Amino acid sequence: AQTVTQSQPEMSVQEAETVTLSCTYDTSESNYYLFWYKQPPSRQMILVIRQEAYKQQNATENRFSVNFQKAAKSFSLKISDSQLGDTAMYFCAFMKLEYQFYFGTGTSLTVIP
Amino acid sequence: DAGVIQSPRHEVTEMGQEVTLRCKPISGHDYLFWYRQTMMRGLELLIYFNNNVPIDDSGMPEDRFSAKMPNASFSTLKIQPSEPRDSAVYFCASSAGQYNEQFFGPGTRLTVL
Repeated sequence: AQTVTQSQPEMSVQEAETVTLSCTYDTSESNYYLFWYKQPPSRQMILVIRQEAYKQQNATENRFSVNFQKAAKSFSLKISDSQLGDTAMYFCAFMKLEYQFYFGTGTSLTVIP
Repeated sequence: DAGVIQSPRHEVTEMGQEVTLRCKPISGHDYLFWYRQTMMRGLELLIYFNNNVPIDDSGMPEDRFSAKMPNASFSTLKIQPSEPRDSAVYFCASSAGQYNEQFFGPGTRLTVL
């Protein structure tokens, strides 16, 4: 069975600083996708970044980057130069090629002015 | 705890038919969310409830979609009539308190032919 674990229910960071959100997963699959979603107070889900497991290079989107360690089954999200608008719940998700998704329980991030 | 339970896990129906998706949240959770996942649009929040009361249904795509939560342990998402573009994976999630960890169900994969 696939599981996704986010071990940090809540985190905070000072504005302009860097924060890393952790995510680990368990699977026997070799090909899969990983995602980070952001859910601001508006509740709508926003895709932050995705990573294909077959790619060695870590995905990057502007201030957001991941540290993907396939052997360790770890997929952490780094947010650089944190902004007030980054305050949100962040969900880590795993997708098998049969289009089955599994979600972590989320990390509530607060950016402090 | 069995976690969030969704049924059915897979549903294949023909265009024009009524489809009902079911969700049982984790006991004691006062928030319930319905999401839709497609490759094109990603993960979308459709509606969420607090203490069985719909709080925000602005994500419901059309009048063909309706959701109810008659009690704290059961919610339904109904599509009538269904259309092929409704094909997606529908997730239910629940949480205890606002902006706390959300526990996702396994999803219902809906295919409308």
